[in-house]
Amino acid sequence: QVQLVESGGGVVQPGRSLRVSCIASGFTFSNSAMHWVRQAPGKGLEWVAVISNDETNIYYADSVKGRFTISRDNSKNTLYLQMNSLRADDTAVYYCARDPGWELYFDYWGQGTLVTVSS
Amino acid sequence: DVQMTQSPSTLSASVGDRVTITCRASQSINKYLAWYQQKPGITPKLLIYKASSLESGVPSRFSGSVSGTEFTLTISSLQPDDSATYYCQQYNSFPLTFGPGTKVDIK
Repeated sequence: QVQLVESGGGVVQPGRSLRVSCIASGFTFSNSAMHWVRQAPGKGLEWVAVISNDETNIYYADSVKGRFTISRDNSKNTLYLQMNSLRADDTAVYYCARDPGWELYFDYWGQGTLVTVSS
Repeated sequence: DVQMTQSPSTLSASVGDRVTITCRASQSINKYLAWYQQKPGITPKLLIYKASSLESGVPSRFSGSVSGTEFTLTISSLQPDDSATYYCQQYNSFPLTFGPGTKVDIK
């Protein structure tokens, strides 16, 4: 069965960096586009970024463009989100989510990892 | 950016009721709309894609429809397990955007 397991969240000071990861199993990771979606505490869902299966297509939300970088290692079945210049409003649960093709919706989600930006 | 609105923001209904949630897009998104269910503390679950296609394994009491830029999620007979927040999401153009959510409570 499809499994997505995020890790790497924690408490970080404003302006610092953090990298979160998502390990995939139960499907052919190298065939799937992948997304990051976040949810601030008590708030709704916000799409963050997408990367195609072969890394040729990458898109970001305006709120993270220039600060966050999505990447993947297909040999390790792992998706990454490098987050730089973190701000308090980046505080959220970060979910990785699978795209069923290059469809741009999300058919499987991980359990999420909490990133808290606070001094 | 495509703005998504949802109504109502909350609703309370009884088991067996027919429930309708509306999602409106600020511009044409063709039929590129998905619906998700999220229960407290649990990861979101895909219910509907392409406005009206039911995701595999989702109960048939859930259905989606569209009229222009107005999309509807219907639960034909509300069940206790349906207590959750429901989000719509457009995927016609970047940035991908979600509606603010509709919280459904059971009376």
